[in-house]
Amino acid sequence: GDSVTQMEGPVTLSEEAFLTINCTYTATGYPSLFWYVQYPGEGLQLLLKATKADDKGSNKGFEATYRKETTSFHLEKGSVQVSDSAVYFCALNRHTGNQFYFGTGTSLTVIP
Amino acid sequence: NAGVMQNPRHLVRRRGQEARLRCSPMKGHSHVYWYRQLPEEGLKFMVYLQKENIIDESGMPKERFSAEFPKEGPSILRIQQVVRGDSAAYFCASSATSDAGEQYFGPGTRLTVT
Repeated sequence: GDSVTQMEGPVTLSEEAFLTINCTYTATGYPSLFWYVQYPGEGLQLLLKATKADDKGSNKGFEATYRKETTSFHLEKGSVQVSDSAVYFCALNRHTGNQFYFGTGTSLTVIP
Repeated sequence: NAGVMQNPRHLVRRRGQEARLRCSPMKGHSHVYWYRQLPEEGLKFMVYLQKENIIDESGMPKERFSAEFPKEGPSILRIQQVVRGDSAAYFCASSATSDAGEQYFGPGTRLTVT
């Protein structure tokens, strides 16, 4: 079945450090891939998405490239800020049925 | 333009009671999805509804859980005879179409069963 595997957390970084959160997926066909962010006490917010192979999603300095050959969608940011502290979820949507499959989430804490 | 609204935000129930969680989708959205987030886990799909229809309930537990999305009013997720294992955050999402794309999430209802 469809699934998403995410890098285990928690991750703690110093401000301005480089961030990578790994995400790989298993799915039939050509799913769309997403990163959602959840700030403490809030719901999920869409961070970025990519709908086909080699697409790059980007937003707020975060980027992720849809790599079909490695079935990956790793999240990166060149210089993290304290305000980026949150839980990040990788997800896929296989179009059929329109349900999302989420990874377990990676908690990021950025310290000044 | 109000986002997805859920209420209550926090709900405490004793074992054996019923829990009712409400979700009002974004304006213009007729597709609603419920997800459950257990502690330390990601969100798990429960059910997908359109107005007055259940489209996919493959993630719903077979007993005690039900969902509806009536013609008028919010979508309701109902849990009968709650048990401690039902304690979780329940998120609702909505979308404008059935095509794969963005689902807009509400802030969630955190259910605690004592």
